[in-house]
Parts: sequence; C-alpha cells; structure tokens
Amino acid sequence: DTAVSQTPKYLVTQMGNDKSIKCEQNLGHDTMYWYKQDSKKFLKIMFSYNNKELIINETVPNRFSPKSPDKAHLNLHINSLELGDSAVYFCASSETWTGNSPLHFGNGTRLTVT
Amino acid sequence: QKEVEQDPGPLSVPEGAIVSLNCTYSNSAFQYFMWYRQYSRKGPELLMYTYSSGNKEDGRFTAQVDKSSKYISLFIRDSQPSDSATYLCAMSEGSGNTGKLIFGQGTTLQVKP
Repeated sequence: DTAVSQTPKYLVTQMGNDKSIKCEQNLGHDTMYWYKQDSKKFLKIMFSYNNKELIINETVPNRFSPKSPDKAHLNLHINSLELGDSAVYFCASSETWTGNSPLHFGNGTRLTVT
Repeated sequence: QKEVEQDPGPLSVPEGAIVSLNCTYSNSAFQYFMWYRQYSRKGPELLMYTYSSGNKEDGRFTAQVDKSSKYISLFIRDSQPSDSATYLCAMSEGSGNTGKLIFGQGTTLQVKP
C-alpha cells in the first residue's frame, strides 16, 4: 500500500520522442508536485497542483505539460525529449499547498534520453 | 548565490561517531525547516520538521534552527551504517505564499562499520 506511487520506475528513450510519467497518491492529500533531481542530487520544483488547480509553474520548458485528472493523480507529459531532460523525476504530495506541510515522495522515475 | 546552501560532501565517519550536517540560507522569510533522508534509488523521506528557531530531538536525531544566523543543523548521535544516505535540508516561507519548498543540494553521508 505505497502512499505515493509513480510509473514507470525507469524510462529509456531517444531524443525527439514523447513520453509520460504517471503518479498516484492514496494519502488523501490536496496538493501534488513534480520535482526534478539532477545528477548532483539537486531537487528542484517544477509544478504543483492543489485540488486539480495549477498553483506553481516554475521556469520549465513548455515541452513539459502536467495534468491532474483528480486530486489523487498527477501526470507529466514530455514532448520532444532532449538529452538535458535526463534526470530523476519525483512526484510528491502534501496535505496543504502552503509550504508548512511536509512532502511525501514517490520513489522516482529515472529518465534517460539517448 | 543559491537560496539554500549545503555542502554536498561526501562525509565519511566511523560507526558511533556524532555527525553534524548543516545548511545556510539567505531568505529571512523562511519559517519552516525540514530534513529529508534519501537512500540510493529511493525518494526523500521526512526525518525532522521544525518551525522557527529552536531545537527538536527525535531519538538519535537533533535538529537545530538559528534564524538570526540563517543556519540550520542536523546532528546524528551514535551513527550507524544504516544512516548512510543523502541528507537534504528544505525550507519554506509557509502560509501566505505558493508553498514552495526550497531544497539544499544534499550531503552524502557514509558511516563505516
């Protein structure tokens, strides 16, 4: 009964392809996030949604498009993949969006673009 | 300059040592401070959560926040090989903003038996 689960765990693809990562949380949280962790372990927020509404959209190329069909799911679609997109992408959730609520992370999707 | 600075290490200590991990930050509006532990190929998990200045203890772990110096610390007593992981500090302004949690780069810790 994993709290935050994301699929796939590994994704290897070629430049120019389009891919999606799915995330689901069963914690009943209102807010979900996508974070990107680079090779130096630096974790940076990309997007956050509160009850299906986008509230944080960092400076991310518009090739990245999040979608939240309901508050328990947040997917990430990436168009025209580039070498620089290779990283580990983490989904997370929290009770509230106000920054005083700890994040619960999934185990990541390791994306490799060749 | 990054908003949150953390020495990436690696830090290698013998089993039983006291470990001190630190972060400095520049935004004086930060009020909520967290430490996450991340094992290899896993997601970060919350270890300690502190509001404003002061100390908090949980078992072998102690978190300290000094807002006047913009400096936070995590101490691990009697370190164990199972503590080997990357430790990330994180902080936010809290209520009233978009709730963005800013992470440090993480310090990789190895505890040798």
